[in-house]
Amino acid sequence: QQPVQSPQAVILREGEDAVINCSSSKALYSVHWYRQKHGEAPVFLMILLKGGEQKGHDKISASFNEKKQQSSLYLTASQLSYSGTYFCGTESVFGNEKLTFGTGTRLTIIP
Amino acid sequence: DVKVTQSSRYLVKRTGEKVFLECVQDMDHENMFWYRQDPGLGLRLIYFSYDVKMKEKGDIPEGYSVSREKKERFSLILESASTNQTSMYLCASRDYWDSTNEKLFFGSGTQLSVL
Repeated sequence: QQPVQSPQAVILREGEDAVINCSSSKALYSVHWYRQKHGEAPVFLMILLKGGEQKGHDKISASFNEKKQQSSLYLTASQLSYSGTYFCGTESVFGNEKLTFGTGTRLTIIP
Repeated sequence: DVKVTQSSRYLVKRTGEKVFLECVQDMDHENMFWYRQDPGLGLRLIYFSYDVKMKEKGDIPEGYSVSREKKERFSLILESASTNQTSMYLCASRDYWDSTNEKLFFGSGTQLSVL
């Protein structure tokens, strides 16, 4: 079953912040985040493993709450280059190797 | 850099045809995946493979089969193409046992149209 992402779409002005949420009905081992620009393949952003850690680089970070089976992606002071569709991918059990993606969140940044 | 190559960028087939989508990766990855992408539905897993000749069904395997005779190549087969299989198909691979690098590498996709 696919993880659920929210919101489905969001429009921001350059410099504003965004939060994208991902939740699963299953216990999670890991959460992946990818960004896809129009006409291109998805590109890896980060992976979070069981343990409730938070990761980040530059102005994009993510958290993983394993008790709630949720992850959130934080985009701070958004730039035009952040536009695209964001997908979370989840793995429920280590060793299962099955990676299932959500329905995506379309982020549009306007000047 | 890892390269995942899908044989065709665009493909047009007729209903009832047998269709082969090919994917090749050059980094000796164990895991390979086939997803289809449709507007509003995200990326849906069709099949994945964790080793040569080993395969597992994903969330939407009906109407599809796969073949992995060699580690670098993972083929998606539409036994009898139907119009509802018109979609963008994405192949991906990863080195599952590299704990520092479990990310997926995606191919550029094949846009399949079934008429």
